Amino acid sequence: AQSVTQLDSQVPVFEEAPVELRCNYSSSVSVYLFWYVQYPNQGLQLLLKYLSGSTLVKSINGFEAEFNKSQTSFHLRKPSVHISDTAEYFCAVSEVAGGSYIPTFGRGTSLIVHP
Amino acid sequence: DAGITQSPRYKITETGRQVTLMCHQTWSHSYMFWYRQDLGHGLRLIYYSAAADITDKGEVPDGYVVSRSKTENFPLTLESATRSQTSVYFCAIGGWTGGKNEQFFGPGTRLTVL
Repeated sequence: AQSVTQLDSQVPVFEEAPVELRCNYSSSVSVYLFWYVQYPNQGLQLLLKYLSGSTLVKSINGFEAEFNKSQTSFHLRKPSVHISDTAEYFCAVSEVAGGSYIPTFGRGTSLIVHP
Repeated sequence: DAGITQSPRYKITETGRQVTLMCHQTWSHSYMFWYRQDLGHGLRLIYYSAAADITDKGEVPDGYVVSRSKTENFPLTLESATRSQTSVYFCAIGGWTGGKNEQFFGPGTRLTVL
């Protein structure tokens, strides 16, 4: 069975500072990895995903995440955050094998960007 | 094109009443999901459906019933609402379609059980 651990429930940071949101997963088979973002009073939106190929994936708004198989991690980074990045971020994993498509979500990390 | 809609967006009910939350998609994704979101617990899967007439339990199914007679609809029913079911409920769709593998979430239904 797969599982996801988001190591920080809350990450406060000042505007224009770099940030890293940590995500570790556990699975006995190959996985797909996702980061979703949830702005206040909205549903989740896909931010970026790793399916195969390059282990470094990027979003259109400056976030990036790197799949590290040996450390079973998929940390999310941004070199310079904006106030508008304040949101809840969820890491998710789904297993490749078996034809099933049931992702598992972490508990979320609240990113709080201060001016 | 909203793709996935939920209704109602807000609902207040009383303990013991039956409540149905609706989820509708226009994109014909095979999988549909119901999650609840609570502070400190993140997203927890209640039920999911791989196709019409195929449903299965998730992590927290007790007290909930689902059906999927049509591909586009996936209603969630609380047969006898309890205060512990006060939560924000999200419907999602997804599946392996056209080489893409991701979920799309509805806007959520905020349910309060008094």
